Amino acid sequence: AQKVTQAQTEISVVEKEDVTLDCVYETRDTTYYLFWYKQPPSGELVFLIRRNSFDEQNEISGRYSWNFQKSTSSFNFTITASQVVDSAVYFCALSENFGNEKLTFGTGTRLTIIP
Amino acid sequence: NAGVTQTPKFQVLKTGQSMTLQCAQDMNHEYMSWYRQDPGMGLRLIHYSVGAGITDQGEVPNGYNVSRSTTEDFPLRLLSAAPSQTSVYFCASSYFRNRGPEDHTEAFFGQGTRLTVV
Repeated sequence: AQKVTQAQTEISVVEKEDVTLDCVYETRDTTYYLFWYKQPPSGELVFLIRRNSFDEQNEISGRYSWNFQKSTSSFNFTITASQVVDSAVYFCALSENFGNEKLTFGTGTRLTIIP
Repeated sequence: NAGVTQTPKFQVLKTGQSMTLQCAQDMNHEYMSWYRQDPGMGLRLIHYSVGAGITDQGEVPNGYNVSRSTTEDFPLRLLSAAPSQTSVYFCASSYFRNRGPEDHTEAFFGQGTRLTVV
């Protein structure tokens, strides 16, 4: 069965510091899909990125970057020059199905940016 | 496009009461799912559907029923509410155009329903 581990339960950093959120996954499938979602204090889930198992390219989007390494089954998320608005709970998720009907989530990392 | 709409946003139930959490999407998505979010446990899959008339159980289905009579709607029924069902419930929908990796998309989530059972 698939599993997603986010070992960091809570992280606090001072504004403008860089921070990396770790995600380690387990799956027996060779084709799978990985996601990061952000849950701000308002409670909704905001999609950040998806990656399929065939694409190990790292991605950068503004201050956000993602490092996908199949060799270590990790899909880590880095925020550069953090801002107070980055304070949220971040979830890593895994899908073994193309339709995403059965996502497996990690337990989330609560990130607090201290002004 | 409203996306995925969940109603109600908040609900308080007494133990033993039944109710239905509504979920509707206007994107013609084939795939829909229900998750519950509890502190420290992330989101866990309750039930899911891969199309109208087709539903299946997820990780934590006990105490919940679903049906999918139309593509748009995927209601979640609590048969006899228990305090252990106090949680935040999220509905999600998803689709894909073709089977190529570039056609894969993300799951779209509703705003959530915060349910308290007393």
